[in-house]
Amino acid sequence: GQSLEQPSEVTAVEGAIVQINCTYQTSGFYGLSWYQQHDGGAPTFLSYNALDGLEETGRFSSFLSRSDSYGYLLLQELQMKDSASYFCAHNQAGTALIFGKGTTLSVSS
Amino acid sequence: EAGVTQFPSHSVIEKGQTVTLRCDPISGHDNLYWYRRVMGKEIKFLLHFVKESKQDESGMPNNRFLAERTGGTYSTLKVQPAELEDSGVYFCASSQRSERYEQYFGPGTRLTVT
Repeated sequence: GQSLEQPSEVTAVEGAIVQINCTYQTSGFYGLSWYQQHDGGAPTFLSYNALDGLEETGRFSSFLSRSDSYGYLLLQELQMKDSASYFCAHNQAGTALIFGKGTTLSVSS
Repeated sequence: EAGVTQFPSHSVIEKGQTVTLRCDPISGHDNLYWYRRVMGKEIKFLLHFVKESKQDESGMPNNRFLAERTGGTYSTLKVQPAELEDSGVYFCASSQRSERYEQYFGPGTRLTVT
């Protein structure tokens, strides 16, 4: 079967750095995406890794190791507005997204 | 550029009734996807259109669900007859042909079956 595992909850304080891990078990892996969802609203795309290594986009970075079936999302200089759910996902057959269960990040002051 | 829109935002119906959800993707996006999130669980794929053709409908739970995308523009998802377990948030997403990993989601339709 196909599955992605990520922690259910993470807490941190403003200004801190937090890492959300994602391990996956899939067939036909194309790449790992990360999405953010605020209060059950529309998930929004954050980043995508097709190859091993680190992708940086502002305060957010994403990492992938295909040999370890592992990736993470790194959020730096945390702000209150970063409190949200974060999902890792992979593309099934390059099309449909298969999501993990999501990690709820709570940022406190 | 307008984003993905969905209608209605909320729907409350009784078991056995019919509901039709609508999705308008971003203009020019050939790929259209339907997903569902049942409370406490992950977002699950339902089906994928490329223009008006069903590319993959492996996630459709059963034949009570019917999706269409006439003319390759907007899409509808009909649930008939609705059951209690159909309750959840139904998301629509669209993407350009070459960037299927970057999908743009609509705000979702929250369906409650009582």
